[in-house]
Amino acid sequence: DIQMTQSPSSLPASIGDRVTITCRASQSISRYLNWYQHKPGKAPKLLIFAASSVQSGVPSRFTGSGSGTDFTLTINSLQPEDFATYYCQQSSTSPPTFGQGTKVEI
Amino acid sequence: QVQLVQSGAEVKKPGASVKVSCKASGYIFPSYGLHWLRQAPGQRLEWLGWINNGNGFTKLSQKFQDRVTFTRDTSATTAFLELTGLTSEDSAVYFCARAYYGLGTYYFDYWGQGTLVAVSS
Repeated sequence: DIQMTQSPSSLPASIGDRVTITCRASQSISRYLNWYQHKPGKAPKLLIFAASSVQSGVPSRFTGSGSGTDFTLTINSLQPEDFATYYCQQSSTSPPTFGQGTKVEI
Repeated sequence: QVQLVQSGAEVKKPGASVKVSCKASGYIFPSYGLHWLRQAPGQRLEWLGWINNGNGFTKLSQKFQDRVTFTRDTSATTAFLELTGLTSEDSAVYFCARAYYGLGTYYFDYWGQGTLVAVSS
């Protein structure tokens, strides 16, 4: 299975900050990388698919980049509703696998 | 709007079985596969497998092949996960997620709210 490693695991931040989360795959996954936001007790929400395509309805402050093994999720001007845990997920090969998560917190 | 609504929390004893439902609405049910995933405390999300709601085809993660069954009721637009032989390691939040295929890949564009399954003697 492809291993996905996110960093950092925890990210202290403030409103208005620009934050970057990285995700590394154990082998090349081309651009088959998706990002999700998850808040406790809620359904996870798709933010970015295919490395850099923003899901409909997602604010433009969320951007994704990367290809091969290294990817980033950037949140420009962090808003109060952005405090959550973020996961990357590869869809290159089965089984789909996820990073361990990055908790963005105050 | 697309919604996936899962059944409520379950408490089970070791060795028992659990059946979790995922009621879909807001889209054409047979046109999208539903995947099942789980997240144990402190662990990352883990994929269990998926069901093609059109023809009923299922694919399971090798880890769960002998303990997991996926079914669906197309008239009720509901998918089901059944997990047998429960142990404490199966204590987790279980999610259903719709898979959307596009740009040569797939992604989980809608998720259920999660169902907590607790296994305890």
